[in-house]
Amino acid sequence: DAKTTQPNSMESNEEEPVHLPCNHSTISGTDYIHWYRQLPSQGPEYVIHGLTSNVNNRMASLAIAEDRKSSTLILHRATLRDAAVYYCILRRDSNFGNEKLTFGTGTRLTIIP
Amino acid sequence: EAQVTQNPRYLITVTGKKLTVTCSQNMNHEYMSWYRQDPGLGLRQIYYSMNVEVTDKGDVPEGYKVSRKEKRNFPLILESPSPNQTSLYFCATISGQGYEQYFGPGTRLTVT
Repeated sequence: DAKTTQPNSMESNEEEPVHLPCNHSTISGTDYIHWYRQLPSQGPEYVIHGLTSNVNNRMASLAIAEDRKSSTLILHRATLRDAAVYYCILRRDSNFGNEKLTFGTGTRLTIIP
Repeated sequence: EAQVTQNPRYLITVTGKKLTVTCSQNMNHEYMSWYRQDPGLGLRQIYYSMNVEVTDKGDVPEGYKVSRKEKRNFPLILESPSPNQTSLYFCATISGQGYEQYFGPGTRLTVT
């Protein structure tokens, strides 16, 4: 599986935007970029995913570099509830087979009131 | 509401005493999976199932068994638990398009 690299931790002030970076220099053409987050004492939660174009949903935005070797998860206005560990994961597209997600250690985001 | 439920949420047991952690989903998804989460190691897949009666090993299957007799349930069985199986366990299922995985709330297991 292609590897991703994320900072171990980040801090942000409440109600400010947060940009969480992820490097994936060995990404292949069929790899989707997924982001999950894990709130304290909960299971991981899907945030967003993309392939080549930037993506927006109700939770966040995903900005993907033109060469796809990096991406950034953007939380437009962080709240205390966004404090979590954020995982950037590459998932190879396939119509069948194991849908395993390979989680790294992620970025622990702390929100400062 | 889309849900993955696990029981029990917390369990303390002794070495060698067989146990089962149940997992149930209400989304009619075919694919289900079990992960364990350990500090510094991230989540590692134990077993997965692509449909009823179809199961296969993940990355760390030793010491675990699973069964998939019906679509909604995917129990994890530890026939003879050992202390190195002390961990946080998550069950997951995936949407039909394969984009979004839904995780259960987790089961924290301690084996003494």
